[in-house]
This record gives sequence, C-alpha cells and structure tokens, in this order.
Amino acid sequence: QKEVEQNSGPLSVPEGAIASLNCTYSDRGSQSFFWYRQYSGKSPELIMFIYSNGDKEDGRFTAQLNKASQYVSLLIRDSQPSDSATYLCAVRPITGGGNKLTFGTGTQLKVEL
Amino acid sequence: DAGVIQSPRHEVTEMGQEVTLRCKPISGHNSLFWYRQTMMRGLELLIYFNNNVPIDDSGMPEDRFSAKMPNASFSTLKIQPSEPRDSAVYFCASSFQYSYGYTFGSGTRLTVV
Repeated sequence: QKEVEQNSGPLSVPEGAIASLNCTYSDRGSQSFFWYRQYSGKSPELIMFIYSNGDKEDGRFTAQLNKASQYVSLLIRDSQPSDSATYLCAVRPITGGGNKLTFGTGTQLKVEL
Repeated sequence: DAGVIQSPRHEVTEMGQEVTLRCKPISGHNSLFWYRQTMMRGLELLIYFNNNVPIDDSGMPEDRFSAKMPNASFSTLKIQPSEPRDSAVYFCASSFQYSYGYTFGSGTRLTVV
C-alpha cells in the first residue's frame, strides 16, 4: 500500500461546478496534511494545510480531514479554467519523524468551459 | 524575497557524465529538501537537511547520488556517473523546521542521453 494515494484522474468538471479531490494515507499517526497545486511545467505551490479533523475554508477552497478514516479531501467551489492543474496531497508522517513530507502522485483536474 | 533558486533550469548530458545540481534556499529557512519527480513515481524525497546536517537520505537511490550542504545558503546534488534512468525533474525546497509546508524552487529538468 502506498503511503499516500490519489486517483490520477483526469477529473473533468464544468466551469462553475464544485471539484472534489480525494486522498488517503496509510500512517495512522500522521499529523499534518497539505494540498499543493502544480501547473504543467511548473513547481508545486502550497494552497492549503490542515491539522484538525473537520473542515478548513480559504476562499473557494475547503480542505476536509477525517483521521479515523485516514482521508483528506480538497473541494474547489466555482471552479475556473485557471484551476486546471495537478493537485498533490502531502502528508507529514509521524513514522520517522522530522519535517519531511510524503506526496501522492497527484490528481489532474480539468475545468472545462 | 527571491524564493528558492535552482540552477541550471535544464541540463542535457551524456550517460556516464557527472551532473551537479545547485540550490539556494530562502534566507532564514533551516530545512532543505531534494525531491525528484517523474511521471511514473511522482515526487520522491531524496534527502533532507536540518541546519545543514543531513537528517534522512533513505531516498537516495544509490551510491551514484550524493548531496552536500556546506552552509545555510547553498546545497548541491551530484550524480556520478549519470544514467538515462536518472532523467527527471529535480526540485529543491526549503522551510522553517516544522513549519506549514515547503517552498519549492523552479526545478532542474535533467535529461541523460
């Protein structure tokens, strides 16, 4: 089992719709969870992080965390063509400690006009 | 703030040659990470440093890879000898230790022919 799993997609949504991106992780003791956006040919950029169970909202983005189910998701409301990118889920595992992040392979999102 | 600076942006080299990738972290950040990204394996952590000291090099694929951080503002990743399977995008990232995520550099696209 991979440490961080994401559906590779592509996930296609129409402009204005809600995009839902999902991620599961294997290390039950993981404490911190991150969502990065990566445009084609560019480097990943941090868009949200979450530590506590529940929802965290930032503008059009909402991160959701369920530690019991080892599941984290990212919702993008009112999706725009500029949201088309690959979204990477990252987890700071408790095993091994330190400051390292383990990344999933990403979900490609396509927002269609 | 100039961000994390990597050089070169692109490198094409012949199999067997030595390759050196360079990184300047954000001033004041005390953690530095080297990742490799490929389509098949996504982002893989190669090695990371805290306060210039290597903490975890378990991701370094083999002895052909080495990394150094002689001071807080400079790190190198060296591959000797290079092989075609080393072709990938290599990212450097930095952060404050235990802070909320990393800042990535623009990456070095390495092609070994």
